Amino acid sequence: SQELEQSPQSLIVQEGKNLTINCTSSKTLYGLYWYKQKYGEGLIFLMMLQKGGEEKSHEKITAKLDEKKQQSSLHITASQPSHAGIYLCGAPSYSGAGSYQLTFGKGTKLSVIP
Amino acid sequence: SAVISQKPSRDICQRGTSLTIQCQVDSQVTMMFWYRQQPGQSLTLIATANQGSEATYESGFVIDKFPISRPNLTFSTLTVSNMSPEDSSIYLCSFRTGANYGYTFGSGTRLTVV
Repeated sequence: SQELEQSPQSLIVQEGKNLTINCTSSKTLYGLYWYKQKYGEGLIFLMMLQKGGEEKSHEKITAKLDEKKQQSSLHITASQPSHAGIYLCGAPSYSGAGSYQLTFGKGTKLSVIP
Repeated sequence: SAVISQKPSRDICQRGTSLTIQCQVDSQVTMMFWYRQQPGQSLTLIATANQGSEATYESGFVIDKFPISRPNLTFSTLTVSNMSPEDSSIYLCSFRTGANYGYTFGSGTRLTVV
């Protein structure tokens, strides 16, 4: 089964600083999803990556998938308190009957200090 | 994009009782997924629900404990039966939005069993 390892587990940064979260897979990724979760709430979709070397950006968040499609990184530029939360990477795996389920990493808890 | 409405958002229940969680989607979806997130942990898939057939449960989860209904393509329920404090978790429903938009998640149900 596919396993996703995220690092670091938690991160405390000063507002305005840049940061990077990593997600490493035990198998080749056929897609990689990044989500943000505010404490005790649902997941907010951030980005999806599919191709080796792909990079996507939205506002101050950039996600990349390496050429070998086994590692992804999420980079936040000039962090703000609104970026605080838990960041989760998820990878699809075939669950039968034409459906794909997501397997998630354990998450990275980000705190941004004003 | 489609929206999920999940209810209740939170509940405190007595051990031995059951709680039914509802998810309503504003468009038709083929597969719905139910996840559990235990305190401080990542998401674990409980089961996949397809309309018109029995749900498919992941290892460690059984129908007697987590019965699921999927009466039509816009609605599903998950029941947590005969609850114990170990069932205290956040429960989330999800569906695949489309090829390029990832998976959409409900806002979660925070369950505390006392």
